[in-house]
Amino acid sequence: QSVLTQPPSASGAPGQRVTISCSGSSINIGHNYVCWYQQLPGTAPKLLIHTNDQRPSGVPDRFSGSKSGTSASLAISGLRYEDEAEYFCAAWDDSLKGVFGGGTKLTVL
Amino acid sequence: QVQLQESGPGLVKPSETLSLTCTVSGGSISSRSYFWTWIRQPAGKGLEWIGRIYTGETTNYNPSLESRVTISADTSKNQFSLKLISVTAADTAIYYCARAISASAFDFWGRGTLVTVSS
Repeated sequence: QSVLTQPPSASGAPGQRVTISCSGSSINIGHNYVCWYQQLPGTAPKLLIHTNDQRPSGVPDRFSGSKSGTSASLAISGLRYEDEAEYFCAAWDDSLKGVFGGGTKLTVL
Repeated sequence: QVQLQESGPGLVKPSETLSLTCTVSGGSISSRSYFWTWIRQPAGKGLEWIGRIYTGETTNYNPSLESRVTISADTSKNQFSLKLISVTAADTAIYYCARAISASAFDFWGRGTLVTVSS
């Protein structure tokens, strides 16, 4: 049972825009920054977004993050087959631990 | 470029102690700019934050694991380690070490190491 809630799956056709949601509470997302990770099969997660909406160097601007209240979203525009992966949200929790979402498996149709 | 590499036994017996080490290159674990973190992922499941160490001394642990976990550092070797006592099958997972630039932003990860708890 993950502290942050994500839909288990999402899908879209190449070129489309897809949004993945992440729901938390006042002691995690509501009070702290949100990050997003992309995990390809058999590899370690890769940081996509930090501080709610900031992209590390090298992450395409097709990926964007936003936060409102106790929820956050990751948007992927111009969907590509290479975007097919699992996506996780993360935040700090005021109970003094890091917390993650359960992951959303993105399928590119 | 920062690199992290996990090492340790891939098989641990139930009730025994899981011990892993993360060797860091390209950056100092004594730096005040980063947290050095352990995260695990059971097969086909989500990520679980285990704990972190800062400047080689200050630690924070997941409350659900705190009674069983110790994270320590050897700054002379630029390594940090994880010990998890009294393991059960539920501790079987891929264990990752990672560098955090903020509380939940892990910018560099090791490749991960699979630890199986089985007799």
